Amino acid sequence: ETGVTQTPRHLVMGMTNKKSLKCEQHLGHNAMYWYKQSAKKPLELMFVYSLEERVENNSVPSRFSPECPNSSHLFLHLHTLQPEDSALYLCASSPETTEYYGYTFGSGTRLTVV
Amino acid sequence: QKEVEQNSGPLSVPEGAIASLNCTYSDRGSQSFFWYRQYSGKSPELIMSIYSNGDKEDGRFTAQLNKASQYVSLLIRDSQPSDSATYLCAVNIRKDDKIIFGKGTRLHILP
Repeated sequence: ETGVTQTPRHLVMGMTNKKSLKCEQHLGHNAMYWYKQSAKKPLELMFVYSLEERVENNSVPSRFSPECPNSSHLFLHLHTLQPEDSALYLCASSPETTEYYGYTFGSGTRLTVV
Repeated sequence: QKEVEQNSGPLSVPEGAIASLNCTYSDRGSQSFFWYRQYSGKSPELIMSIYSNGDKEDGRFTAQLNKASQYVSLLIRDSQPSDSATYLCAVNIRKDDKIIFGKGTRLHILP
């Protein structure tokens, strides 16, 4: 375990469903991130939260909605997704958002949209 | 030019040899550089970070940074089959204050 826990590990959802991905970190970090990893593409940053405040929204479609109720928990709410949204969704955390820290990733949620 | 470029591989290296993984980046102002290892079906794991020109060694891993050439590399000595994975280079892009990942290089250590 890395100290960053994601649930569920796998998710299959229809295009009309609503679901949520959960991330919890036990590292005392102040920054949390959502990344999308698709085949043959680099990791794509979706959202950044620092001390529960969103500091980055990387032009992500509104069908993805993040929520950060406290510095240990991060959610990604999903609704009316498209098949091209199928990917591995990774949560990460770091001590701060400054450039000198690497990230600790969770195990990811493998999402399939049917 | 892409912000962070890596050869996608696969790079095949005999067991016991040195594996050399390379990465170039476009932002001259970048200050932080990271190497992550990602096994198939798993999430990336940070294995090295480097901030100054030169070499940084950690066990069998050596990161090398040349800011003038905008080049960062990872050397793995005495390669083991367990080193077979995809290696992601990540670079801080100063102008955007974010870390950008390369597509990764797939490394295969031949027993």
